[in-house]
Amino acid sequence: GNSVTQMEGPVTLSEEAFLTINCTYTATGYPSLFWYVQYPGEGLQLLLKATKADDKGSNKGFEATYRKETTSFHLEKGSVQVSDSAVYFCALSRSRTGNQFYFGTGTSLTVIP
Amino acid sequence: DTEVTQTPKHLVMGMTNKKSLKCEQHMGHRAMYWYKQKAKKPPELMFVYSYEKLSINESVPSRFSPECPNSSLLNLHLHALQPEDSALYLCASSQLDMGFSYNEQFFGPGTRLTVL
Repeated sequence: GNSVTQMEGPVTLSEEAFLTINCTYTATGYPSLFWYVQYPGEGLQLLLKATKADDKGSNKGFEATYRKETTSFHLEKGSVQVSDSAVYFCALSRSRTGNQFYFGTGTSLTVIP
Repeated sequence: DTEVTQTPKHLVMGMTNKKSLKCEQHMGHRAMYWYKQKAKKPPELMFVYSYEKLSINESVPSRFSPECPNSSLLNLHLHALQPEDSALYLCASSQLDMGFSYNEQFFGPGTRLTVL
């Protein structure tokens, strides 16, 4: 079946630290992969995406590379800020329509000054 | 316009009330979704509409009744809810096409529902 396994949280980092949130997936065929971010009291916002193997998605200093050989899509940022404090969800889509969307459990990140 | 809007932002209702949640998008997306999200959990899919027709119902209790009046609007009618239905209800939309990329979903800010 299709599923996403995400690094357990919560994660607490100091400002300017390096961030990695691990995400691995199980899927048949060739899914698209996404990272969404949810700030307190808000909906989910698309952070970045990758649609095929070796694609690198990037946005706002965050990056993730679609690794088919390790079935991974780890999120990284070189220097986190307090404003990055949020919950991060890894997700995969196994359908062209996007109907079949599978979310990881979410990782809560807190960045302290 | 790349926004999904939801109203109301907050809703408090009793178990005997009838209320509706509204979602709107003007991006030309032909797939729309309702999700339920409990605190510290990922969103759980409830319903999917494709071309204004219900295509997926994830075994949601009948006290939740979705409606898609047109390609821009999605409603969720609520009746006789239980306290455990209290949650954040998220609406999302996405493109539908026959290309080879899988389309992201765009989420609204949600309606925070409290059932007393």
